[in-house]
Amino acid sequence: NAGVMQNPRHLVRRRGQEARLRCSPMKGHSHVYWYRQLPEEGLKFMVYLQKENIIDESGMPKERFSAEFPKEGPSILRIQQVVRGDSAAYFCASSPGQGITDTQYFGPGTRLTVL
Amino acid sequence: AQSVTQLDSQVPVFEEAPVELRCNYSSSVSVYLFWYVQYPNQGLQLLLKYLSGSTLVESINGFEAEFNKSQTSFHLRKPSVHISDTAEYFCAVSLMDSSYKLIFGSGTRLLVRP
Repeated sequence: NAGVMQNPRHLVRRRGQEARLRCSPMKGHSHVYWYRQLPEEGLKFMVYLQKENIIDESGMPKERFSAEFPKEGPSILRIQQVVRGDSAAYFCASSPGQGITDTQYFGPGTRLTVL
Repeated sequence: AQSVTQLDSQVPVFEEAPVELRCNYSSSVSVYLFWYVQYPNQGLQLLLKYLSGSTLVESINGFEAEFNKSQTSFHLRKPSVHISDTAEYFCAVSLMDSSYKLIFGSGTRLLVRP
């Protein structure tokens, strides 16, 4: 059973460009979470999605950031008009359910560098 | 607001020595507690968790952590470390009414030397 897949692993963008980060959850998992890790900080929750629904986006910046988890295909975290402060590692996790006994399995992360 | 503090950014230790990685949290409500480990170029993996019951929880690879409510701590310990334990260790909490939302500390890099 393959783990959580994220691609690309490294992404370089210039200021003002768009960044698209992809996350394929583990087989059988319908719950996806995105976290961001700024340099020297812990991971910070961004958004929780189920298939075709955003459940909790309380950690998402109000502008330029959006996330989706379509019926088919991977979850996408999209950052429009990137700025240097968006440089970070973005981690995706998935779980079979949202209960406390449903462990979140993390992908290896996408490291975004904004020049 | 809830927060997690891992005071040690790096802990160097010799192989077969004991180690303790410290984790303290701040919360006005009850929380669940977790330790995750991240090996180089890999995603975070759950090491162990405290949900309820016995305050001492163990992992399959010899780590243990004890929930101390009065000290608001959840320190991770291992009596004898191996080179392969070299990794980044993250402590995390979640609230009972939004248990899917993990709140992480900044991580501690455990460096095991021969």
